[in-house]
Amino acid sequence: GAGVSQSPRYKVAKRGQDVALRCDPISGHVSLFWYQQALGQGPEFLTYFQNEAQLDKSGLPSDRFFAERPEGSVSTLKIQRTQQEDSAVYLCASSLAQNTGELFFGEGSRLTVL
Amino acid sequence: AQSVTQLGSHVSVSEGALVLLRCNYSSSVPPYLFWYVQYPNQGLQLLLKYTSAATLVKGINGFEAEFKKSETSFHLTKPSAHMSDAAEYFCAVSEIKAAGNKLTFGGGTRVLVKP
Repeated sequence: GAGVSQSPRYKVAKRGQDVALRCDPISGHVSLFWYQQALGQGPEFLTYFQNEAQLDKSGLPSDRFFAERPEGSVSTLKIQRTQQEDSAVYLCASSLAQNTGELFFGEGSRLTVL
Repeated sequence: AQSVTQLGSHVSVSEGALVLLRCNYSSSVPPYLFWYVQYPNQGLQLLLKYTSAATLVKGINGFEAEFKKSETSFHLTKPSAHMSDAAEYFCAVSEIKAAGNKLTFGGGTRVLVKP
């Protein structure tokens, strides 16, 4: 596709449910990033992939958060046993290569945990 | 560790007036610096970036920013605001590492343009 595509755009979950958020990066982009954006705040780094390798997961807030990119293209961010504090917009971004700095962002998946 | 501070979470300007959004950064190594814009229900779009070339960087939609190392600043300006500039603006710093870039964002500044 022409841009980074994320689904679902909106997700409402009951506390304790598991959710999966999908990111389809720009074709050929090597690097893929997940960010969490709480209401009224800037995006915060969660994790980073280069192809299928997860090179940095230092931003994942707990072991309930898990991300994968098994074939080096589509990525899934999974949140287990969701809690209210997980409510946020989850942004995916991709870039052509490392060290260029420019990230291309999707529109985000807004998660609301009731 | 890197950090970004954006002064003012909200800025209100009149159409045609100067837009000035302030950004100060902290980085232990020479940084790459970015401004992104986010329109409602849309993803972040790159406005401009500084990558150690010219200190005055011109971006899209008439925006520009100046890197001042002595002040650790990267303020964003536009001489004349347009109604379409109403959005949220994020400053970000990137520290180049072997594992790839990781952008650290400021808290954002929401711009309101008054007719």
